[in-house]
Amino acid sequence: EVQLVESGGALVQPGRSLRLSCAASGFIFDDYAMHWVRQAPGKGLEWVAGINWNGNSIGYADSVKGRFTISRDNVKNSLFLQMNSLRAEDTALYHCAKEFDPADYYGMDVWGPGTTVTVS
Amino acid sequence: QSALTQPASVSGSPGQSITISCTGTTTDVGTYNLVSWYQHHPGRVPKLLISQVTKRPSGISDRFSASKSGNTASLTISRLQPEDEAHYYCCSYAGSTTLIFGGGTKLTVL
Repeated sequence: EVQLVESGGALVQPGRSLRLSCAASGFIFDDYAMHWVRQAPGKGLEWVAGINWNGNSIGYADSVKGRFTISRDNVKNSLFLQMNSLRAEDTALYHCAKEFDPADYYGMDVWGPGTTVTVS
Repeated sequence: QSALTQPASVSGSPGQSITISCTGTTTDVGTYNLVSWYQHHPGRVPKLLISQVTKRPSGISDRFSASKSGNTASLTISRLQPEDEAHYYCCSYAGSTTLIFGGGTKLTVL
């Protein structure tokens, strides 16, 4: 079964840091780009960051650029999001998501249940 | 990076068809045939409905179809069913290894 499970969410104070992890299983992890997508309470989906299969191509939303860092470990089948200088507006449910196709940016077909980050 | 523009809400009766628009710019929807659509029921994870503007992944009902013209993409749901009531989001590649979502549309099945 293809599965993504996030961890690392917590209640943190503004300005502090947090590292999210996403454990992948059931598919060839290093064949696919991966993304982090968040949803703030009562708001819509917001793409946060994406990374291609080998980590050589990375992108960030303007709202997190310079503060967040996405990375992956293809040996451990894991995706990470290092979040620094956290702000109240970063409060959200954070999902990791798998690209639908090895060709990047076709869509995200598998989503984890998410991990909650609260900045307060 | 401004969110793609979607109507906040649409509604329809069972059996009818509805269309949700998703308007971007020449830097995203208008340039790339990399628009995807997602269905999101509260408490569940988003579900990929459409990839690459018009393509349905395996297992997605043919009641869901999509298209694009210029800077606007559209999702049409035919033969509405009560279980279609959900939020719908478009998403487009926006260049420089970035993606952008629409603000989301709440579909109410009357």
